[in-house]
Amino acid sequence: GENVEQHPSTLSVQEGDSAVIKCTYSDSASNYFPWYKQELGKRPQLIIDIRSNVGEKKDQRIAVTLNKTAKHFSLHITETQPEDSAVYFCAAPFQGAQKLVFGQGTRLTINP
Amino acid sequence: DTAVSQTPKYLVTQMGNDKSIKCEQNLGHDTMYWYKQDSKKFLKIMFSYNNKELIINETVPNRFSPKSPDKAHLNLHINSLELGDSAVYFCASSQGWGAFFGQGTRLTVV
Repeated sequence: GENVEQHPSTLSVQEGDSAVIKCTYSDSASNYFPWYKQELGKRPQLIIDIRSNVGEKKDQRIAVTLNKTAKHFSLHITETQPEDSAVYFCAAPFQGAQKLVFGQGTRLTINP
Repeated sequence: DTAVSQTPKYLVTQMGNDKSIKCEQNLGHDTMYWYKQDSKKFLKIMFSYNNKELIINETVPNRFSPKSPDKAHLNLHINSLELGDSAVYFCASSQGWGAFFGQGTRLTVV
């Protein structure tokens, strides 16, 4: 099937600590893996993505890693800040990128 | 300039009514989507269009009818609204990689 599994569903960390969210996907043909951040009452916003020809990508405090063999990818947020509190979604394309399927979402709470 | 815009932002209506949501993108993307986000925040794809043509219909009831007059517009018409249709509906567009979302339409059926 066309599945993207995301864990955990909720994550609470102390400000300054790191947070890691993991996703697995079902189609080995998927070649692009975006991550979205959705703040309360807002639209999902693309924050970082990775293509299948690289294993890791970093942008300041966020990074994404990809293991194509195991079909999983992860979002890493370091030195977390209160403004990182949001729901995070991973996604993967299916059916030749015509269908972008999202994970179930992770509600991240940063405790001051 | 807003990249993906949808209207209205809020829609409150009674059961049995018919309503429409409009979406427009100025990014020049070929692919547009409709997603439904329920109270548990799950983002479920409903439809995918590529250059005005329907590509994906995710077993959505026939009461939902998308229409794409051109590749920059994808509207959603819903007939005979039911309580379970209450959700936030997001339009999005893509050019093969990341999707860009509209601001969402919060539909409440009473």
